Amino acid sequence: GAGVSQTPSNKVTEKGKYVELRCDPISGHTALYWYRQSLGQGPEFLIYFQGTGAADDSGLPNDRFFAVRPEGSVSTLKIQRTERGDSAVYLCASSLRSGGSSHTDTQYFGPGTRLTVL
Amino acid sequence: QKEVEQDPGPLSVPEGAIVSLNCTYSNSAFQYFMWYRQYSRKGPELLMYTYSSGNKEDGRFTAQVDKSSKYISLFIRDSQPSDSATYLCAMRTSGSARQLTFGSGTQLTVLP
Repeated sequence: GAGVSQTPSNKVTEKGKYVELRCDPISGHTALYWYRQSLGQGPEFLIYFQGTGAADDSGLPNDRFFAVRPEGSVSTLKIQRTERGDSAVYLCASSLRSGGSSHTDTQYFGPGTRLTVL
Repeated sequence: QKEVEQDPGPLSVPEGAIVSLNCTYSNSAFQYFMWYRQYSRKGPELLMYTYSSGNKEDGRFTAQVDKSSKYISLFIRDSQPSDSATYLCAMRTSGSARQLTFGSGTQLTVLP
């Protein structure tokens, strides 16, 4: 079956512009996560959805970052007034649900969107 | 200081060698421990998932967790060139927080 997909794979934008990054989770997965990975670092948590609601957005760095998941499937990460420091790979992951056994809460990652802010 | 520390390497070994990868952590609330493999320009792929202390084996891979020392390891036996990748340790608590906390990754190259 299809894994987690993310579009676009690459995004180049100018400082100050607005960007949207899309994530299509594995079908039937109710939990969805966004992470950000800078060069040479591990992924860092941004936000987690259980269904349509953001269950934990404690990792969002500031109010320029926002994410939605209106129908409990596809999610969009939105970044306003982009800054050069936002350049990173943005990873999306999904799991069958959150918590429970390794079978249900294993997070499967997409290939990421490489964002470059010039 | 980061919650999870991982030697970034790079680590280079000959084909067939046993590889040992390690992470230390400071948060005693971590209960679930994972190892992910990440190829260049790809997303992380889960290799091993363990709960609390102990060992788990899956083919050529063995994961060990020592909660008393806050130390986890991944061993790769009979390493292959296809094992060349970055290996990320990850962990999370058993509470309501579901996010994973990752190490910075160790870059491994297995030479043919």
